[in-house]
Amino acid sequence: SQTIHQWPATLVQPVGSPLSLECTVEGTSNPNLYWYRQAAGRGLQLLFYSVGIGQISSEVPQNLSASRPQDRQFILSSKKLLLSDSGFYLCAWSPMRLFSTEAFFGQGTRLTVV
Amino acid sequence: TQLLEQSPQFLSIQEGENLTVYCNSSSVFSSLQWYRQEPGEGPVLLVTVVTGGEVKKLKRLTFQFGDARKDSSLHITAAQPGDTGLYLCAGGRGGSNYKLTFGKGTLLTVNP
Repeated sequence: SQTIHQWPATLVQPVGSPLSLECTVEGTSNPNLYWYRQAAGRGLQLLFYSVGIGQISSEVPQNLSASRPQDRQFILSSKKLLLSDSGFYLCAWSPMRLFSTEAFFGQGTRLTVV
Repeated sequence: TQLLEQSPQFLSIQEGENLTVYCNSSSVFSSLQWYRQEPGEGPVLLVTVVTGGEVKKLKRLTFQFGDARKDSSLHITAAQPGDTGLYLCAGGRGGSNYKLTFGKGTLLTVNP
């Protein structure tokens, strides 16, 4: 069966510090990978998605970047965090299907920038 | 631009009551999913609907996809405290478009 691991679960970082959140998927190959941010327990904002190694699409201009160095690894980074980067970050994967795009999520990372 | 509107935003009911929440859009989707999310965790997929007019049942939950594939509803019969959570709908366009568009969710509280 497929599993997705996301870490850390909680992170407190000072303003101006770097960020690296990692996500890995097991039990599948060539998944679509996504990073979402969720504010105040509400809707999900798509930040980045990737359909293959080295292929990253950015949805929202911001202080963050993403990379996919391996097929099942997705990394969210920042060189200098802002207070506004605080939030709940979710990694997700979906299988390559023609007519449906079902997402399977990690447990999330609660980031607090202080 | 918010492509998926969910209503109501908040719903608080007593155990045993029935409820319906809605997901509406002006756009056509090739598939629509419903997720439930508990505090501090990632959303969990409940169901996917792909055919206009499709109805799927998952125990006490009934999901319907609109005929025009622009809207969906989730009906819960005899709600229980364990149904409490944030219910999110998400639409996919299919084909080479792998993005999911999420609504803002309905926060359901079922009181014992």
